[in-house]
Amino acid sequence: QQQVKQSPQSLIVQKGGISIINCAYENTAFDYFPWYQQFPGKGPALLIAIRPDVSEKKEGRFTISFNKSAKQFSLHIMDSQPGDSATYFCAASIGTSGSRLTFGEGTQLTVNP
Amino acid sequence: DTGVSQDPRHKITKRGQNVTFRCDPISEHNRLYWYRQTLGQGPEFLTYFQNEAQLEKSRLLSDRFSAERPKGSFSTLEIQRTEQGDSAMYLCAYRTASSGNTIYFGEGSWLTVV
Repeated sequence: QQQVKQSPQSLIVQKGGISIINCAYENTAFDYFPWYQQFPGKGPALLIAIRPDVSEKKEGRFTISFNKSAKQFSLHIMDSQPGDSATYFCAASIGTSGSRLTFGEGTQLTVNP
Repeated sequence: DTGVSQDPRHKITKRGQNVTFRCDPISEHNRLYWYRQTLGQGPEFLTYFQNEAQLEKSRLLSDRFSAERPKGSFSTLEIQRTEQGDSAMYLCAYRTASSGNTIYFGEGSWLTVV
């Protein structure tokens, strides 16, 4: 059973545009929601993370929006650049469970120059 | 700099052979994890250690898989009698006492079973 569902599977954006990736979760015990960026042949790298006590977190061009009642969260990449082309994964964990992460299926982002 | 070093980075093996992957933390990490990632999918949790104790194992970790972390430092993941379905990237990850819930990943070890 997929506990974290991610969409879209792939996304093509023009340089300077906004990339939006969405995730929905089922387990209300999740209390930590990170986003990872992964380039081909590399391990996932932490991009930004949020806890459910805030509705939005911004770091540079990256923003997480969190809707606890809808059990959804999303990643917004402002002013998308070709260097942002990568696969993005949302994830979730429960603080008391060793923090093991449950990942979404991933979104392959392509930013055209 | 990912905080862990994984070896080998790539391994091609014949079906039925045993393989072992090693993860060396660059500094002390109290929690060390193993994940598996197949092409086009997100990483899946396999197991984790707090110091030398293996505290949790996923159902994905069949009897052919074994992981160890002697003395709470480096960790090994062994796969016995490999099958083609074992072809994946095996990721070592860690969490420090000061990183809260944040988990950092290594570069991964690619396994191809032919």
